Amino acid sequence: ILNVEQSPQSLHVQEGDSTSFTCSFPSSNFYALHWYRWETAKSPEALFVMTLNGDEKKKGRISATLNTKEGYSYLYIKGSQPEDSATYLCASTTSGTYKYIFGTGTRLKVLA
Amino acid sequence: GAGVSQSPSNKVTEKGKDVELRCDPISGHTALYWYRQSLGQGLEFLIYFQGNSAPDKSGLPSDRFSAERTGGSVSTLTIQRTQQEDSAVYLCASSLRGEGGAEAFFGQGTRLTVV
Repeated sequence: ILNVEQSPQSLHVQEGDSTSFTCSFPSSNFYALHWYRWETAKSPEALFVMTLNGDEKKKGRISATLNTKEGYSYLYIKGSQPEDSATYLCASTTSGTYKYIFGTGTRLKVLA
Repeated sequence: GAGVSQSPSNKVTEKGKDVELRCDPISGHTALYWYRQSLGQGLEFLIYFQGNSAPDKSGLPSDRFSAERTGGSVSTLTIQRTQQEDSAVYLCASSLRGEGGAEAFFGQGTRLTVV
């Protein structure tokens, strides 16, 4: 994998459903994986920064896992709420660099 | 202010005109980034500043694009002779230090429309 890729591109879920998205990134020279939530007309907001293989992070109903050997991260949302509707972005950085390489995002719509 | 501030929030300009976008980073953040998101695309890196110098300008799409940062703080991105393909949301971000494990804080962006 040369670029950061996210799937699915978009999805609609019902309120109360749990859902997950995938971020694939280059595993060579990996340094950190960032997840952001970007709501319409607002700034992208950092959710997690993960660096270690096997890392799991949680913030309320949202959690993320990291596999640096195979180059993927999952973001999970448990019991989705309408306010979770946003675009979820992941970005990877490599050792010795400053550049965040972003995926195209997953656009989530939670239906009430 | 407490966060990254960008102005204007929206800009509509005629093709061929010059535009200037401004970014006020979080005080004390040495690293500053410009990204843009065109319709249907991901966030595209444009330029990175460490202090007032720009060690990486590799993402600037053409010589119509330039950026500067003064006093280790405010940055302006200038687009000369705008084209329709320049229409995008331009995002600025800053971080405490320019290393990939640091959290980047984003502004709300400038939506540029070239008509």
